[in-house]
Amino acid sequence: GQNIDQPTEMTATEGAIVQINCTYQTSGFNGLFWYQQHAGEAPTFLSYNVLDGLEEKGRFSSFLSRSKGYSYLLLKELQMKDSASYLCAVQDSNYQLIWGAGTKLIIKP
Amino acid sequence: EAGVVQSPRYKIIEKKQPVAFWCNPISGHNTLYWYRQNLGQGPELLIRYENEEAVDDSQLPKDRFSAERLKGVDSTLKIQPAELGDSAVYLCASSLDMGVVNEQYFGPGTRLTVT
Repeated sequence: GQNIDQPTEMTATEGAIVQINCTYQTSGFNGLFWYQQHAGEAPTFLSYNVLDGLEEKGRFSSFLSRSKGYSYLLLKELQMKDSASYLCAVQDSNYQLIWGAGTKLIIKP
Repeated sequence: EAGVVQSPRYKIIEKKQPVAFWCNPISGHNTLYWYRQNLGQGPELLIRYENEEAVDDSQLPKDRFSAERLKGVDSTLKIQPAELGDSAVYLCASSLDMGVVNEQYFGPGTRLTVT
């Protein structure tokens, strides 16, 4: 079967760095997405990785290792507005997105 | 440019009643998705359209759910009759096509409560 695993909840301090991990087992692989979802709102696109390595975009970076079925999202200089759920999703061989349950990130002052 | 538009934003109905959700995707986006999201979970795909053709509806409970995308633009998702377990947020998303980078843009969702 297809499976995406990520921690249910994480807590971090404002100004710090946090890493949210995602492991996956899917039927084929055509890229991995990270989405941010604030409570009561729709998911919004953060990043896309299809090749191994690190993609940096401002305070957010995303890493992928296809051989390990592993990705992480790194958030630097945390701000209170970063409190949200972070969803990992893998595009399978049919280009369908398989979604994880999301990691709720709580930022404390 | 307008994003994905959904209506209504909220709906409360009694069980066994029908309900319908409407979605207008981003202009030019050929692919449209309907998802259901329960609290604390990721989105669950119900149906995916390529233009007006439903290319993946394997997760759609066809005994009570139906969807259409006439003219390959707007789409409607219907539940009849609704059950208590249908309470969830129904998200509509669109993307340009099923290309390599399939970034999906989501609407604000419809929060359905079945009592």
